[in-house]
Amino acid sequence: LAKTTQPISMDSYEGQEVNITCSHNNIATNDYITWYQQFPSQGPRFIIQGYKTKVTNEVASLFIPADRKSSTLSLPRVSLSDTAVYYCLVGISNDYKLSFGAGTTVTVRA
Amino acid sequence: DAGITQSPRHKVTETGTPVTLRCHQTENHRYMYWYRQDPGHGLRLIHYSYGVKDTDKGEVSDGYSVSRSKTEDFLLTLESATSSQTSVYFCAISEGTSGRALYNEQFFGPGTRLTVL
Repeated sequence: LAKTTQPISMDSYEGQEVNITCSHNNIATNDYITWYQQFPSQGPRFIIQGYKTKVTNEVASLFIPADRKSSTLSLPRVSLSDTAVYYCLVGISNDYKLSFGAGTTVTVRA
Repeated sequence: DAGITQSPRHKVTETGTPVTLRCHQTENHRYMYWYRQDPGHGLRLIHYSYGVKDTDKGEVSDGYSVSRSKTEDFLLTLESATSSQTSVYFCAISEGTSGRALYNEQFFGPGTRLTVL
């Protein structure tokens, strides 16, 4: 199982861009990178997934360099409602034991 | 929102008593998961199921058992609850027909807060 490392917490202000970097040095060839968001007292919610280069959806962008040993989740123009815990997941395709880790707590202030 | 319910939503029990948590889905997804969430540990996979009567262990399976007799229901049982099993338990579901199912989006239930005194 690929181990991931992400910052414990990050602070930001409304309207700013938030970038969360996740390190996964032993990522395998078949592994995808997935990010989830969790609000207090709720279950996690899927945000975005990618394999290489860049992926963008209506919520976020995911940047993956060529060596794939890290990835960066980018949240554009955050609002107070983006305050949440963000999890980076990397799993081995033939191993069902996916782990969420401790995540990054993002706090957005007015 | 995906049709996932968990029951009970809150439970307080005593050490040594058996506890069963239920996850019910209306999406007909093949894969179902049980996670526990504790401060500083994020979510950790306890057990998962890839079909009726097909289950396997996750990262923290000791002290837990599961059963899935119907597609829509996945039960988590603590045979003899301990204080270390005080946690918030989440059920999740996902589609998929192969080992890549974990990469598919997982939909989570509202959680069950369990306190073992």
